[in-house]
Amino acid sequence: AQKVTQAQTEISVVEKEDVTLDCVYETRDTTYYLFWYKQPPSGELVFLIRRNSFDEQNEISGRYSWNFQKSTSSFNFTITASQVVDSAVYFCALRGPQQGAQKLVFGQGTRLTINP
Amino acid sequence: DGGITQSPKYLFRKEGQNVTLSCEQNLNHDAMYWYRQDPGQGLRLIYYSQIVNDFQKGDIAEGYSVSREKKESFPLTVTSAQKNPTAFYLCASSDVRGGGMRPSDTEAFFGQGTRLTVV
Repeated sequence: AQKVTQAQTEISVVEKEDVTLDCVYETRDTTYYLFWYKQPPSGELVFLIRRNSFDEQNEISGRYSWNFQKSTSSFNFTITASQVVDSAVYFCALRGPQQGAQKLVFGQGTRLTINP
Repeated sequence: DGGITQSPKYLFRKEGQNVTLSCEQNLNHDAMYWYRQDPGQGLRLIYYSQIVNDFQKGDIAEGYSVSREKKESFPLTVTSAQKNPTAFYLCASSDVRGGGMRPSDTEAFFGQGTRLTVV
């Protein structure tokens, strides 16, 4: 069975602080894909990143960076110099190697509040 | 603009009534999905469809029904059999022409959701 755990239910920081959102996953598949999505107050989920299980390189996109560690089954997300617009619920998700439709398994989400 | 449109944004249902949530996409995606979001539980898959006239149950299909008569549309009916229907419902779609293995296949696009409340 697949499972994604985001242990941090809520995080609140002051603007310009760095913040890391944790994601731990469980799967028996050797090939799998990990995702992060952002859910702003408007409700839709916005895709941030995909990482496959064979690519352990860390990725940086502007103020966002992701740390994928297979040894600890973790895929953590760091926002550097946080801004008020980063306030949202963030979801980590996992899918297996099956072709066709993407059946995503989501974590519980982390509500991030950036205070001015 | 291409995207996914869900309607209505807010929906109120009386006990014992069936209600239908609309989801339309103009992204030419073959696959469509319905997720339910409850506070503290993340998103859970209700139903999904990979092609017109075909759909599969997800993890929490009981009390729900769907149809896929057109590629663009994937309506969800919440039936009176669903004991706790109050939740936020999200529709999504994805391109699976590459078998789900191409980078372009792996992004699921989501609508803005429908908040259903039982009154």
